[in-house]
Amino acid sequence: AQKVTQAQTEISVVEKEDVTLDCVYETRDTTYYLFWYKQPPSGELVFLIRRNSFDEQNEISGRYSWNFQKSTSSFNFTITASQVVDSAVYFCASSYGNNRLAFGKGNQVVVIP
Amino acid sequence: DARVTQTPRDKVTEMGQEVTMRCQPILGHNTVFWYRQTMMQGLELLAYFRNRAPLDDSGMPKDRFSAEMPDATLATLKIQPSEPRDSAVYFCASGLFTMAYNEQFFGPGTRLTVL
Repeated sequence: AQKVTQAQTEISVVEKEDVTLDCVYETRDTTYYLFWYKQPPSGELVFLIRRNSFDEQNEISGRYSWNFQKSTSSFNFTITASQVVDSAVYFCASSYGNNRLAFGKGNQVVVIP
Repeated sequence: DARVTQTPRDKVTEMGQEVTMRCQPILGHNTVFWYRQTMMQGLELLAYFRNRAPLDDSGMPKDRFSAEMPDATLATLKIQPSEPRDSAVYFCASGLFTMAYNEQFFGPGTRLTVL
């Protein structure tokens, strides 16, 4: 069964510190996609990044970066030089079946000014 | 800037009443999803459609929930009769899926409170 685990429930950081969110997934699919979504206090889920399972190259996009390691089934996400606007719940998700997504429970990130 | 829209944004109703939530997917997207978010269960997939045809509704309580897509611009989720345990935020999402998997875009959600 598809399962996504985000162990840390709430993370507090001081503004300008980096914050890394851990995500571990379980899948039986040979090809799959991994995602990170952000849910700010307004409530809407915002797509951040997508990575497919056959490309383990890690990337940086602005202040966001991610580390995908297929061998350990991990897809970690880092926000560099955090800002107050980064305060939100962050969800990791994994695709399965016919374009469905399984979501983790989310990480509440609190950035203290 | 194309967005998924949902109405109503907030709904308070009494137990036993019918509730209908509406979603307008992004124009051109061929797949629509309904999710429910609660503190206890997190985000759960209720049902989804591809080219207006239902692909999976196994996440929904069949006796009281129903989901439809009357046309390509409207998806509905109905609860009849509603119960207090249905209180949650209901999200609609849409995406364009072809050979590759593309991201889902979420609407702002409908916050449902059943008293």
